[in-house]
Amino acid sequence: SQTIHQWPATLVQPVGSPLSLECTVEGTSNPNLYWYRQAAGRGLQLLFYSVGIGQISSEVPQNLSASRPQDRQFILSSKKLLLSDSGFYLCAWSVIGSEKLFFGSGTQLSVL
Amino acid sequence: EDQVTQSPEALRLQEGESSSLNCSYTVSGLRGLFWYRQDPGKGPEFLFTLYSAGEEKEKERLKATLTKKESFLHITAPKPEDSATYLCAASNSGGYQKVTFGTGTKLQVIP
Repeated sequence: SQTIHQWPATLVQPVGSPLSLECTVEGTSNPNLYWYRQAAGRGLQLLFYSVGIGQISSEVPQNLSASRPQDRQFILSSKKLLLSDSGFYLCAWSVIGSEKLFFGSGTQLSVL
Repeated sequence: EDQVTQSPEALRLQEGESSSLNCSYTVSGLRGLFWYRQDPGKGPEFLFTLYSAGEEKEKERLKATLTKKESFLHITAPKPEDSATYLCAASNSGGYQKVTFGTGTKLQVIP
């Protein structure tokens, strides 16, 4: 069966520090991969999606970047965090051609 | 621009008191309408996909229905373990699988 791992679960970082969140998927090949951010009172906002290794599309301009170094690995990064980067970050995957999303357990990021 | 609006924002029910959650959508060429359940501090968990008006899906005490403008999540005789935030999402017929999420309905079922 397919599983998705996302870590860490919580993270407190100072403004200006770097960020690296990692997500891996097991039990499937060539998944579509996604990074979402969820802010209180707002819907899930799509940040990045990837249809293959090295193929990254960004939905909104921001202080973050994403990379997909392996088929089932997706990384969210920042060189210098801003206060506005605080939020609940979710990794998700889907089968190619399907919009049915399977989410990880999320990372609560607090930038202080 | 695609939009998904959910109401109410919060709903408090007594155990056994049935009700419905609403999701209205404006999507250019609907491909699918999705319902997810999200527990506090967790990622959303998939519940249903609906593809065309008139379609219904059921799972235990939950039933999702779809019209051309909105979807309903009916909860029959809810139990405290049904307490969660329920998210609605819609995908369009664009070039890739773009999914727009609503802000959710936070359901609390009181024993």
